[in-house]
Amino acid sequence: NAGVMQNPRHLVRRRGQEARLRCSPMKGHSHVYWYRQLPEEGLKFMVYLQKENIIDESGMPKERFSAEFPKEGPSILRIQQVVRGDSAAYFCASSPNRVDTQYFGPGTRLTVL
Amino acid sequence: AQTVTQSQPEMSVQEAETVTLSCTYDTSESDYYLFWYKQPPSRQMILVIRQEAYKQQNATENRFSVNFQKAAKSFSLKISDSQLGDAAMYFCAYRSAGANTGNQFYFGTGTSLTVIP
Repeated sequence: NAGVMQNPRHLVRRRGQEARLRCSPMKGHSHVYWYRQLPEEGLKFMVYLQKENIIDESGMPKERFSAEFPKEGPSILRIQQVVRGDSAAYFCASSPNRVDTQYFGPGTRLTVL
Repeated sequence: AQTVTQSQPEMSVQEAETVTLSCTYDTSESDYYLFWYKQPPSRQMILVIRQEAYKQQNATENRFSVNFQKAAKSFSLKISDSQLGDAAMYFCAYRSAGANTGNQFYFGTGTSLTVIP
């Protein structure tokens, strides 16, 4: 059973560009979570999605950030008009239900020049 | 909001020795889960061990065990017979078990463990 897949592993963008981060959950998992890790810090929750629904986006910045988890295909975290402060590692996690353990992907390291 | 505190930014241990990493948390909830995750240089987050708050018995996973003190809100990780591959950043995490909460993990700031050959 393949683990949580994230791509790309590394993404470089210039200020003002858009960043799209993809996450494919483990097989059988329909719950996806996104976290951000700034340098020297722990992971901070951003958003929780189930198929086609955003359940909790309390950790998402109000502007420029959006997430989706369509019926078919991976979950996408989209950052519009990136700024240097968006540089971080973005982790996706999945679980088979809301209360079970979350399994993390390898992360996407975003660098904004 | 729940908070998780790891007061040891860095720890070191001699290979084959035992080390304990500390974690405390603050919550008003009675039902929750606690986790230790390991993040090696590859930055992959790897689940080490999980503890349900309603269980009095401390979780054990091979060389890894926890000391869960619910009243003291303490959740330390003990690594026995330390190996070079144990070198990593270790994160303590809390998750509510509530019906309307529990959507997210709350992470501590991590403890960097060095294993000395």
